[in-house]
Amino acid sequence: SAVISQKPSRDICQRGTSLTIQCQVDSQVTMMFWYRQQPGQSLTLIATANQGSEATYESGFVIDKFPISRPNLTFSTLTVSNMSPEDSSIYLCSVKDPLAGGSSYEQYFGPGTRLTVT
Amino acid sequence: EDKVVQSPLSLVVHEGDTVTLNCSYEVTNFRSLLWYKQEKKAPTFLFMLTSSGIEKKSGRLSSILDKKELFSILNITATQTGDSAIYLCAVGGAGNMLTFGGGTRLMVKP
Repeated sequence: SAVISQKPSRDICQRGTSLTIQCQVDSQVTMMFWYRQQPGQSLTLIATANQGSEATYESGFVIDKFPISRPNLTFSTLTVSNMSPEDSSIYLCSVKDPLAGGSSYEQYFGPGTRLTVT
Repeated sequence: EDKVVQSPLSLVVHEGDTVTLNCSYEVTNFRSLLWYKQEKKAPTFLFMLTSSGIEKKSGRLSSILDKKELFSILNITATQTGDSAIYLCAVGGAGNMLTFGGGTRLMVKP
């Protein structure tokens, strides 16, 4: 499976500021995703990061709040903009296994970024 | 709307016990069901199931899928304190997205 790293691993930010989270994969992958896990909750998909085009956002998430970049097949960033305490969560990137077939849903997760907004 | 429900919400057992975790789903165009173990931040992949009745095993963990009754179970035998974690079930439906259940928090006491 792919090896995924995320930076930063954690951060404490003031409300109104923005934080950019990086996700790096050690191999080219077609699909990269960004998830949020709020305290005590399960994972919610924010968006699919598409290489060379705009990300595809899920209901309830918008580009102005969570801009995403995907400049190549091994790297993506998620920015949490104009943060409020409600944005305090773990943010996780995941990738579809590059060795899996096109119909496979096998996904692997990065180590996560724990964000606290004060 | 796709839905994945896990039960129980939490479970406390003693080392050596066997546990069964449940996952039921309602998903459009079911493709696969995945189990993850989450100890700190990152969910760790355990199993992916696509066919009914075929048990997947990895050491003390095993899982099976019933596509007719729309559920899966994850069994852990001879539990150890290291099995303490949140276990997440996710289902892949239409498109490429996974829908996650709320998780089962397992605590294994010495």
